[in-house]
Amino acid sequence: AQKITQTQPGMFVQEKEAVTLDCTYDTSDPSYGLFWYKQPSSGEMIFLIYQGSYDQQNATEGRYSLNFQKARKSANLVISASQLGDSAMYFCAMREGPNDMRFGAGTRLTVKP
Amino acid sequence: DSGVTQTPKHLITATGQRVTLRCSPRSGDLSVYWYQQSLDQGLQFLIQYYNGEERAKGNILERFSAQQFPDLHSELNLSSLELGDSALYFCASSVDYLNTGELFFGEGSRLTVL
Repeated sequence: AQKITQTQPGMFVQEKEAVTLDCTYDTSDPSYGLFWYKQPSSGEMIFLIYQGSYDQQNATEGRYSLNFQKARKSANLVISASQLGDSAMYFCAMREGPNDMRFGAGTRLTVKP
Repeated sequence: DSGVTQTPKHLITATGQRVTLRCSPRSGDLSVYWYQQSLDQGLQFLIQYYNGEERAKGNILERFSAQQFPDLHSELNLSSLELGDSALYFCASSVDYLNTGELFFGEGSRLTVL
């Protein structure tokens, strides 16, 4: 069963505007971590942000913030003040306990000048 | 630089051949994970090793095998290659006692099967 769902295959945003990339997940494990990775056209996986299941505050890393709604099982990524260099594939992922990480299908973000 | 090293970065081979992809994890990381990313798709988990032992298996074909050596480096062996095996293969590592910690990814090995 698909545990990570990203329903937006592609998104467009105007430069300098904010954008939200959606992610929902499914788990019965009380201990889990949620992650967002960026994959530019060069192919490498760049870690952006992490949210632990017991964290009370939403995670933030510079222009990235994670809107964590535990009851809804959602972990949306918000990118503020989009830049042209933000154009890439974005993957939401979950890790249940000390196990492997499972990824969503990804969202391709295009930032328009 | 994540500290995870993968070789080779690019590999072109023919159908029916066998290749070996190599991964050196970050210093101190005991767990190694292999993922396959086919064109324009997400990452599919293949297999995980922890301190030399297989820990979890995902969607790994029987033609594929892997192992983790005493020095903790890992190799992914792909045999009887088919066109559909063309993909970007990632290795990742983690400390593993932090139960939900980040995985650190290598730059990937891009395999092209002709």
